[in-house]
Amino acid sequence: EPEVTQTPSHQVTQMGQEVILRCVPISNHLYFYWYRQILGQKVEFLVSFYNNEISEKSEIFDDQFSVERPDGSNFTLKIRSTKLEDSAMYFCASRSSGGNYEQYFGPGTRLTVT
Amino acid sequence: KNQVEQSPQSLIILEGKNCTLQCNYTVSPFSNLRWYKQDTGRGPVSLTIMTFSENTKSNGRYTATLDADTKQSSLHITASQLSDSASYICVVHYGNNRLAFGKGNQVVVIP
Repeated sequence: EPEVTQTPSHQVTQMGQEVILRCVPISNHLYFYWYRQILGQKVEFLVSFYNNEISEKSEIFDDQFSVERPDGSNFTLKIRSTKLEDSAMYFCASRSSGGNYEQYFGPGTRLTVT
Repeated sequence: KNQVEQSPQSLIILEGKNCTLQCNYTVSPFSNLRWYKQDTGRGPVSLTIMTFSENTKSNGRYTATLDADTKQSSLHITASQLSDSASYICVVHYGNNRLAFGKGNQVVVIP
């Protein structure tokens, strides 16, 4: 069964460094999402992406965040200058254009900023 | 404000027993409600989805109910197994394909 994959599974970085989190969505999906989940907190929406552009973003998704689909398979989230409070699980999700709009989640990348 | 509240926050149950998890929401405009299972360190996996007109939906030992009038949903786990230990997240789909997440019900099944 096709699934969303994410790399790395765990990323440790120093405050102020740039990180890129990678996702490979399900191949025939056209809508892509990033979410984050701070330890012990709810999953929070960051951004949605369709047709090579951001379709919606939350207030969390400020200028230090960016997303890109550099080729036909990868979908990346870049954090330019990480802060301690960026430490969280980051989930990528994708969905197709039809059906019940179900989003399929990847296993997540645990980002630890020290 | 679009909110999803779940209770209890956590519970411990004996293997083989049943349990019911609650979800209340104030989200609008409502599109559908989903229950997800999230194993530790993993992404959420969909268990059930219900639209406005559906009252109940089953997926194996999981049965979800929805009362759209009172904006309440429940997830019932029958004959729990050790593998049911996870966080169960109530997610309401609203508006232009936005998702509002609950904080999750942490279930621990013990032998």
